[in-house]
Amino acid sequence: GIQVEQSPPDLILQEGANSTLRCNFSDSVNNLQWFHQNPWGQLINLFYIPSGTKQNGRLSATTVATERYSLLYISSSQTTDSGVYFCAASDGNNRLAFGKGNQVVVIP
Amino acid sequence: NAGVTQTPKFQVLKTGQSMTLQCAQDMNHNSMYWYRQDPGMGLRLIYYSASEGTTDKGEVPNGYNVSRLNKREFSLRLESAAPSQTSVYFCASSERTGFLGYFGPGTRLTVT
Repeated sequence: GIQVEQSPPDLILQEGANSTLRCNFSDSVNNLQWFHQNPWGQLINLFYIPSGTKQNGRLSATTVATERYSLLYISSSQTTDSGVYFCAASDGNNRLAFGKGNQVVVIP
Repeated sequence: NAGVTQTPKFQVLKTGQSMTLQCAQDMNHNSMYWYRQDPGMGLRLIYYSASEGTTDKGEVPNGYNVSRLNKREFSLRLESAAPSQTSVYFCASSERTGFLGYFGPGTRLTVT
């Protein structure tokens, strides 16, 4: 099945800083999603982005499908951005494979 | 709308005991999923149901069974719990297969 790798595994940010999280995947995808898990464990779907660029407030995501990677940008980070960001991808078999996540801590 | 609900929130079992984790969604979604999350890992798919009346194995189905009782409910059963099944279990639902829309709050299960 498809393999998903995320980097960096851990990131500490000063409030107000910008950051980029990377997701590499091993094969062509027909679905790629980014999720945020807050410190209390709740998972939220951020983006559905098998290709192209999308923006939602201070977050944006870009997927370059031909080069098999996706990037999640966090601008002007806030403490509420803390948590784990997961990338997940599928190659059409209805099964999303998750990466191990990017642990982000935003300090005031 | 309550979204996706899961019961119980916490559970401690002894090795060999059985239990059923319940999941329900009120968004009229066709697809429902069960994932497990272990420390330092991403989520791994246990079983999914593309529509009412169908279920399929995911990445880690051994030791589990599922029932899609109706369009709203998708339960996960551990017949004989093992310590390796200590994990946080998430249910999710979506309007279409292969896409994850909404997650439940999770069930933290400990098997001693």
